[in-house]
Amino acid sequence: AQSVTQLDSHVSVSEGTPVLLRCNYSSSYSPSLFWYVQHPNKGLQLLLKYTSAATLVKGINGFEAEFKKSETSFHLTKPSAHMSDAAEYFCVVSGYNQGGKLIFGQGTELSVKP
Amino acid sequence: GAGVSQSPSNKVTEKGKDVELRCDPISGHTALYWYRQSLGQGLEFLIYFQGNSAPDKSGLPSDRFSAERTGGSVSTLTIQRTQQEDSAVYLCASSLELNTEAFFGQGTRLTVV
Repeated sequence: AQSVTQLDSHVSVSEGTPVLLRCNYSSSYSPSLFWYVQHPNKGLQLLLKYTSAATLVKGINGFEAEFKKSETSFHLTKPSAHMSDAAEYFCVVSGYNQGGKLIFGQGTELSVKP
Repeated sequence: GAGVSQSPSNKVTEKGKDVELRCDPISGHTALYWYRQSLGQGLEFLIYFQGNSAPDKSGLPSDRFSAERTGGSVSTLTIQRTQQEDSAVYLCASSLELNTEAFFGQGTRLTVV
């Protein structure tokens, strides 16, 4: 069975410093992996996706994630945080052995201090 | 349409009443998903559709919950005899096919009083 673990429920950074949001997955097959962002009282927006092409995936707003099969990780990074990055971030896994169901992590709340 | 549309955006209902939530997916998307998000919680899977079929209904919390999809397009989620614990934001998403990126609607905020 597939599962997703987001290792931090809350991350706080200062504006202009790097962001690292950690995600580990469990999957018997080659998974599809996604990061979504949810700003307060807003819907979920796709940040980026990994679907077995390049292992380093670039997304919107300067975010990127690296798929590491050996570590079963898909961590989200950004070189320099902006105040507008403050939001909830969800790591998601999908795969054919789950019939295509999207499995969400519990979310990481990112706070950005001025 | 340009995106996934959900209606109503807000619904307040009395305990014991039935409610119907509607989702209009992106045109041409074969897969459709329903999730529930309670205050401060992650996303809870409810059900998904491939075309008009629902291969996985395992997430429906009780037999008060049902969903259908017609014409490979619009889906409705029905909650019968609503309870206060049903209060949450109900999110719908669609994707071109399974295992591809899903696009979410803005959700329906359900409050049971």
